[in-house]
Amino acid sequence: KQEVTQIPAALSVPEGENLVLNCSFTDSAIYNLQWFRQDPGKGLTSLLLIQSSQREQTSGRLNASLDKSSGRSTLYIAASQPGDSATYLCAVRGNYGQNFVFGPGTRLSVLP
Amino acid sequence: DVKVTQSSRYLVKRTGEKVFLECVQDMDHENMFWYRQDPGLGLRLIYFSYDVKMKEKGDIPEGYSVSREKKERFSLILESASTNQTSMYLCASSYGTGSYGYTFGSGTRLTVV
Repeated sequence: KQEVTQIPAALSVPEGENLVLNCSFTDSAIYNLQWFRQDPGKGLTSLLLIQSSQREQTSGRLNASLDKSSGRSTLYIAASQPGDSATYLCAVRGNYGQNFVFGPGTRLSVLP
Repeated sequence: DVKVTQSSRYLVKRTGEKVFLECVQDMDHENMFWYRQDPGLGLRLIYFSYDVKMKEKGDIPEGYSVSREKKERFSLILESASTNQTSMYLCASSYGTGSYGYTFGSGTRLTVV
């Protein structure tokens, strides 16, 4: 059974720093991986979707990488801003399933 | 933009009531999903559907049922609400092929008293 972990559980950084969030999964037979952002009390907003054949995806200040063989993905946020404060979740979809398995999330605080 | 709309942001219901949570998507997605999210437990899959009138149990289906009579609408039903069903409920949808990701609704915070 696929298990997804995220490290760290919480992170606090000053504004302007570059930072990396980590996601690990136990079964490397994945179809794709998706990163989400969740603001308190709200739904999940999709940030990036990486297919298993891809190494990375970029959107603005965000860059997500995927190393399928080692079961890892990272989300890199450049020049962090207070508006980036949220919980970031990664989710993986296996080769034989239609539903994603979610990690517990990393709660990010960017201090002005 | 794909929209997934959940009918209520906040609901308060009494123990034993029958509760309906509605989810509607406007992009002709084949797949729809219901999750609940609880502190310390993360997102857990309740039910999902690949097509109209089709449903599959997720990891925690007990105490819930679903209905998908039309492609765009997926309803979660709590047959007899209990206090341990107090939670954030999240609906998601996606295209049928595995290469697409999820789009989520804004969530329904359900409190059962």
